[in-house]
Amino acid sequence: QVQLVQSGPEVKKPGASVKVSCKASGYTFIGYYMHWLRQAPGQGLEWLGWINPNSGGTIYAEKFQGRVIMTRDTSITTLYMALNRLRSDDTAVYYCARDQEWQHLLYYFDSWGQGTLVTVSS
Amino acid sequence: QSALTQPPSASGSPGQSVTISCTGTSSDVGGYNSVSWYQQHPGKAPKLMIYEVTKRPSGVPDRFSGSKSGNTASLTVSGLQAEDEAHYYCISYAGTSSYVVFGGGTKLTVL
Repeated sequence: QVQLVQSGPEVKKPGASVKVSCKASGYTFIGYYMHWLRQAPGQGLEWLGWINPNSGGTIYAEKFQGRVIMTRDTSITTLYMALNRLRSDDTAVYYCARDQEWQHLLYYFDSWGQGTLVTVSS
Repeated sequence: QSALTQPPSASGSPGQSVTISCTGTSSDVGGYNSVSWYQQHPGKAPKLMIYEVTKRPSGVPDRFSGSKSGNTASLTVSGLQAEDEAHYYCISYAGTSSYVVFGGGTKLTVL
């Protein structure tokens, strides 16, 4: 079955960077787009962007352009999301979420990682 | 402020039906048949319940159904059960400028 296992919680100071990993298993890694989303405490969901694990191509939400970088390592079926110049309002649980259909972008997120809490505090 | 408008709360007794609305614009909900709904229990990741407005992934009970009229999508939960108590979020595709937009979430309480 599809499994997405994310790295553990992080505590960072304002201005620092964080890199969250998402280890994928149980399906053909290069066949499905992967999205990153986040959820601030007590708040709703927010989309950061997607990566095509086959080509490495990315699209980022306008709000995060210049601050977020999504990458992947196909040899270990792992995806990464790095967020730079962290601010206190970046405190959130960050999720990786797989797009539903083989080699198509539908923006339906059918499998999710367990989430990674990133806390930004001085 | 979320791009899609959901009621902050909804409730119903066991066995009853409840409908949660999700109102957007002609640039998102009204412009595409690309609305999905997610259930989220406290401390858990969201779970896909409805996609492409009306379709259910395998394993989702048929008590959950989706619909759309104009710029408003709806999620109906029939035969409410205690385990349906959760937050529900709607998401819509919004074209190649915004990509996806979100509702602020609705807390469903089973009385």
